[in-house]
Amino acid sequence: KNQVEQSPQSLIILEGKNCTLQCNYTVSPFSNLRWYKQDTGRGPVSLTIMTFSENTKSNGRYTATLDADTKQSSLHITASQLSDSASYICVVSAQAGTALIFGKGTTLSVSS
Amino acid sequence: DAGITQSPRHKVTETGTPVTLRCHQTENHRYMYWYRQDPGHGLRLIHYSYGVKDTDKGEVSDGYSVSRSKTEDFLLTLESATSSQTSVYFCATGQQTNQPQHFGDGTRLSIL
Repeated sequence: KNQVEQSPQSLIILEGKNCTLQCNYTVSPFSNLRWYKQDTGRGPVSLTIMTFSENTKSNGRYTATLDADTKQSSLHITASQLSDSASYICVVSAQAGTALIFGKGTTLSVSS
Repeated sequence: DAGITQSPRHKVTETGTPVTLRCHQTENHRYMYWYRQDPGHGLRLIHYSYGVKDTDKGEVSDGYSVSRSKTEDFLLTLESATSSQTSVYFCATGQQTNQPQHFGDGTRLSIL
């Protein structure tokens, strides 16, 4: 069964600190992996999208990594800001299809 | 942003009543999607459209129907609402399936 598992479920960090969120998937065949940020009461916003040939992709202070062999991805947030408080969702796309498999998300709280 | 407007943003209705949610886009994207988001679940696909009058079912399509008579509009209808359909509904659009989807800000639907 195609699944996307994220950890931790929630995380609290101090402003200015770094953090890493994890995503493991069992989707096959694999097409691409996406990270979204969802602020409370808003729709998800795309951060990165990576195919199996891409190991790392950055978007400002957000850096996503992908290991297609172990089927793991991580999202690293550098020098966190209060505005980073949100849910971060890992999404995997199966090849040649419109179906996306969404993880349940990691809720990040950044405190001052 | 992809210019996606969902209406209404909030709705409370009674069991057994019909409900229609509207998604309007200004970016001329080919693909449009309806998702629901519930606690403890990742976003789940209800229906999607790959062109005017071209639609297909998603993972949780039972009890829902859709229509797309114009490129910019995608309607989701609950013919006879049930309490299990209380959820937050998100519309998304995309130009190609291997590109990020752009999400609206959701409709919070409560069925009493």
